[in-house]
Amino acid sequence: ETGVTQSPTHLIKTRGQQVTLRCSSQSGHNTVSWYQQALGQGPQFIFQYYREEENGRGNFPPRFSGLQFPNYSSELNVNALELDDSALYLCASSLGQGRDTGELFFGEGSRLTVL
Amino acid sequence: ILNVEQSPQSLHVQEGDSTNFTCSFPSSNFYALHWYRWETAKSPEALFVMTLNGDEKKKGRISATLNTKEGYSYLYIKGSQPEDSATYLCASIFRDDKIIFGKGTRLHILP
Repeated sequence: ETGVTQSPTHLIKTRGQQVTLRCSSQSGHNTVSWYQQALGQGPQFIFQYYREEENGRGNFPPRFSGLQFPNYSSELNVNALELDDSALYLCASSLGQGRDTGELFFGEGSRLTVL
Repeated sequence: ILNVEQSPQSLHVQEGDSTNFTCSFPSSNFYALHWYRWETAKSPEALFVMTLNGDEKKKGRISATLNTKEGYSYLYIKGSQPEDSATYLCASIFRDDKIIFGKGTRLHILP
């Protein structure tokens, strides 16, 4: 068990809707990263937050946004959902940031289905 | 476009046999290589973080090597057990902070 928890575990939305996914970090970790894993693909980096500031972003449009709170928990928000947003969304916490992120501690993921 | 390749995509191994698989990555701008084991219905779990060319790391029956000059890492499992059945992911981290995961190798251990 990593101590990283994500909610909800599963959810279904329709195109155009908005979704918020939540993640609580492992105790003592101040960095959180979000990944999207579409079917048959490896996890793709969305963004990373370090001490409440965005600290790096992958190739995702602005409708993917995030927040990190003072207790280092985090949210991923996706607006104007598209069918291709259907995926498993993984959150990972770590001690380091950027290229020095170090070992990632993952949650079990939130599976989003967009109809 | 940075691409991290893992091969094979899937393999079946008899219990007790040893096996290995590969992670290939662009060697330019390389910074670190991660291996994770991901069992069904669980979260990915870190196996190794490797940075130096020639690094070899071991955890029980699992070991990994790293060649940063030619851009590959091997993961070895000695004497496979049913609990080794999982997807093994590698991720390459680059000097510009990019992190790229491979698609994983799905390992099935046959009793």
